[in-house]
Amino acid sequence: GAGVSQSPSNKVTEKGKDVELRCDPISGHTALYWYRQSLGQGLEFLIYFQGNSAPDKSGLPSDRFSAERTGGSVSTLTIQRTQQEDSAVYLCASSLDIVRLARGADTQYFGPGTRLTVL
Amino acid sequence: SQQGEEDPQALSIQEGENATMNCSYKTSINNLQWYRQNSGRGLVHLILIRSNEREKHSGRLRVTLDTSKKSSSLLITASRAADTASYFCATDARGDSGGSNYKLTFGKGTLLTVNP
Repeated sequence: GAGVSQSPSNKVTEKGKDVELRCDPISGHTALYWYRQSLGQGLEFLIYFQGNSAPDKSGLPSDRFSAERTGGSVSTLTIQRTQQEDSAVYLCASSLDIVRLARGADTQYFGPGTRLTVL
Repeated sequence: SQQGEEDPQALSIQEGENATMNCSYKTSINNLQWYRQNSGRGLVHLILIRSNEREKHSGRLRVTLDTSKKSSSLLITASRAADTASYFCATDARGDSGGSNYKLTFGKGTLLTVNP
């Protein structure tokens, strides 16, 4: 079946502009995660959503970053007033639900990522 | 902050040889997983080992977990050129209530190059 999709695949923007990155999870998956992969920091957790519960935003690096998930499906990660240090690959993942994940009965399925370059 | 640290950072072997990568982590974990990444893009899940398991096999992959040493190893047997990729371990830490905190924490990865 279809996997996690992300758009755009590449985004080049100027410093100070806002960007929106989109993630379409696997159909039926209630948990959705955002990660960032940069040269200096490796892979970092940003935020996760589980169903209608309040998201865990503990990984967001600053208040310029926000994410929402509409209708329990598609998610948008927004970065306001982008800085050069925001340049990275932004990865989205989904899983059936976090309870199964915790039991080791599921895993996170990753999308291909969006490569963001801030000039 | 990084939970896992892979060792070595880079490994170059010939086709047919075995490749062993190690991962260490810092806190109590719920599960440990290994992922593969080609060309800096999407991650592909390889294998998951629960904290109460010590060894797991999947095809040419063998994973071990030593919770007393907070370490894991991934062995790829009879390597192929197509195995060339970066390999990451990822852990979901044990939460305050004893379950998972659901967030995967990744190491910096091992870049494996398999030469034909």
